[in-house]
Amino acid sequence: GAGVSQSPRYKVAKRGQDVALRCDPISGHVSLFWYQQALGQGPEFLTYFQNEAQLDKSGLPSDRFFAERPEGSVSTLKIQRTQQEDSAVYLCASSPTGLAGVITGELFFGEGSRLTVL
Amino acid sequence: KQEVTQIPAALSVPEGENLVLNCSFTDSAIYNLQWFRQDPGKGLTSLLLIQSSQREQTSGRLNASLDKSSGRSTLYIAASQPGDSATYLCAVKGNYGQNFVFGPGTRLSVLP
Repeated sequence: GAGVSQSPRYKVAKRGQDVALRCDPISGHVSLFWYQQALGQGPEFLTYFQNEAQLDKSGLPSDRFFAERPEGSVSTLKIQRTQQEDSAVYLCASSPTGLAGVITGELFFGEGSRLTVL
Repeated sequence: KQEVTQIPAALSVPEGENLVLNCSFTDSAIYNLQWFRQDPGKGLTSLLLIQSSQREQTSGRLNASLDKSSGRSTLYIAASQPGDSATYLCAVKGNYGQNFVFGPGTRLSVLP
């Protein structure tokens, strides 16, 4: 597609429910990132994929958070047993990757999925 | 651990003014720095990307400078317009790892 696409744009969940957020990166972009953005704050890193490999998941706040990118394209961020503190905008970004896997280019963001946990 | 701060947190200016937004980072071992714009309820749009070997980048009315040794970058907006109203964020990528660390942003309002 022309840009990074995320769905759903808005999700309301009851505390304890599981949610799944989808990201379609720009075609051909090897690198994919998930960020969490609380109201009035900058995005906080969650996890990074290079193709299907999850190379960094150091930002995932707990083991309730799980991300996958099984075929190196679409990615899903899953949050199990949602809590109120999970309420935030979840942003996906993709980037082309240069030689040797080093990111030299821009980050391209989707519009985000706003999660509200009641 | 890299920390990024932005000053001011919010700024309100009349249309036509030139303005400067500031970004500071604690670890000067960066690979590149990127400035973004975020409109309410939207994702981030890349404005300018500066590689660590560069001192500045320009795009239209925007100019971004980078001083790695002092851990600072500035975004200069010339002849501001109401359409420039948004939150501006800077992000730095270190030499190790692929993560970009973001600042909290500066919320800009340009009044007609």
